Amino acid sequence: DTGVSQDPRHKITKRGQNVTFRCDPISEHNRLYWYRQTLGQGPEFLTYFQNEAQLEKSRLLSDRFSAERPKGSFSTLEIQRTEQGDSAMYLCASSLPPPYEQYFGPGTRLTVT
Amino acid sequence: KQEVTQIPAALSVPEGENLVLNCSFTDSAIYNLQWFRQDPGKGLTSLLLIQSSQREQTSGRLNASLDKSSGRSTLYIAASQPGDSATYLCAQRGSQGNLIFGKGTKLSVKP
Repeated sequence: DTGVSQDPRHKITKRGQNVTFRCDPISEHNRLYWYRQTLGQGPEFLTYFQNEAQLEKSRLLSDRFSAERPKGSFSTLEIQRTEQGDSAMYLCASSLPPPYEQYFGPGTRLTVT
Repeated sequence: KQEVTQIPAALSVPEGENLVLNCSFTDSAIYNLQWFRQDPGKGLTSLLLIQSSQREQTSGRLNASLDKSSGRSTLYIAASQPGDSATYLCAQRGSQGNLIFGKGTKLSVKP
């Protein structure tokens, strides 16, 4: 069990560019979650998958954001036409069926200049 | 709207002291509640999960309680150490399966 991994750990991009983040959950965890955290705040939910199905999306997930989990294993989160307000830590978590204890990865810190 | 509140926002204690962190939530139909630790610039480490049918959970020097009727959870840390310095977050599992977080309590344990 190597835990949840995320890549890259840091990303600096210019406004207007597209970025993609990857998350590899703990093996056999069928649920995968994405959160966003800004300085001094708790993480905010973005979306989650059960296997390859995207079951829920937050209103925070604007049209510029898209997430996939094509084979029910790793997931990608893409942000198109990045804005300075997208600067944040993007966290991924995974869980097994009930009680759905979530285990988090180290996060990807995005800085939009 | 489901909300989670943590008080205090920051806490500084001398090493060896026992302390309590507080978490309140608005949804009495809680499924479970998780406590996390976050070191600066890092991800979250799960400390304890309490299911709605449980009153408390213990792990080492940590004890978490859950009172659904009052909408409160506490995290008790015994014999605090400088290595316990971090931000502690509580999160309620929402109806859609996501976690709803408080803003955290930043703990500083001074040698």
